[in-house]
Amino acid sequence: SAVISQKPSRDICQRGTSLTIQCQVDSQVTMMFWYRQQPGQSLTLIATANQGSEATYESGFVIDKFPISRPNLTFSTLTVSNMSPEDSSIYLCSAYGGERSYNEQFFGPGTRLTVL
Amino acid sequence: EDKVVQSPLSLVVHEGDTVTLNCSYEVTNFRSLLWYKQEKKAPTFLFMLTSSGIEKKSGRLSSILDKKELFSILNITATQTGDSAVYLCAVSPRGNTPLVFGKGTRLSVIA
Repeated sequence: SAVISQKPSRDICQRGTSLTIQCQVDSQVTMMFWYRQQPGQSLTLIATANQGSEATYESGFVIDKFPISRPNLTFSTLTVSNMSPEDSSIYLCSAYGGERSYNEQFFGPGTRLTVL
Repeated sequence: EDKVVQSPLSLVVHEGDTVTLNCSYEVTNFRSLLWYKQEKKAPTFLFMLTSSGIEKKSGRLSSILDKKELFSILNITATQTGDSAVYLCAVSPRGNTPLVFGKGTRLSVIA
């Protein structure tokens, strides 16, 4: 299956700052998604990253807080803006659809974010 | 609204025990059901099930789907401490839509 890498793997940030997380897939994929997993919780979908157009956000998530880019079929970024301690979480990039992923939705290694 | 419910939410067993994890779902336009194991950060893929009654097996892990009753089970035999993890069940609706996840079952295997 395809392989996803994420950068950074972890970061500790100050309140009020922003962090951009990068997601790179080693092959072209149809769909890319961003999830958040808060401590002790399951995965919550933030948005679907659409290539060449604005991301599709789930209820409770807005573009001003979580701007997303997807300039091509292998790369996406998620920015967590104006961070607060409530944003401390694991952020996961996910993808499916392509020659090497078939119907399996697979995940990047995640970014562990701590906001002080 | 699509929904996935897993039970139990947590489970503690001794090494060598056999465990069964449950997943029930309600989803429009079902395509497949997936099981993942999550130890630290990223979920790792275990199984994808699309047809009823066909067991998928990998070592000590096996899983089966019942599309009539809308549930799946994940069995782990002869558990080891390395099986300790959160096991996530997810359903994939048809089309280019993302997975719908359950809350997971936290399994702890003690020596």
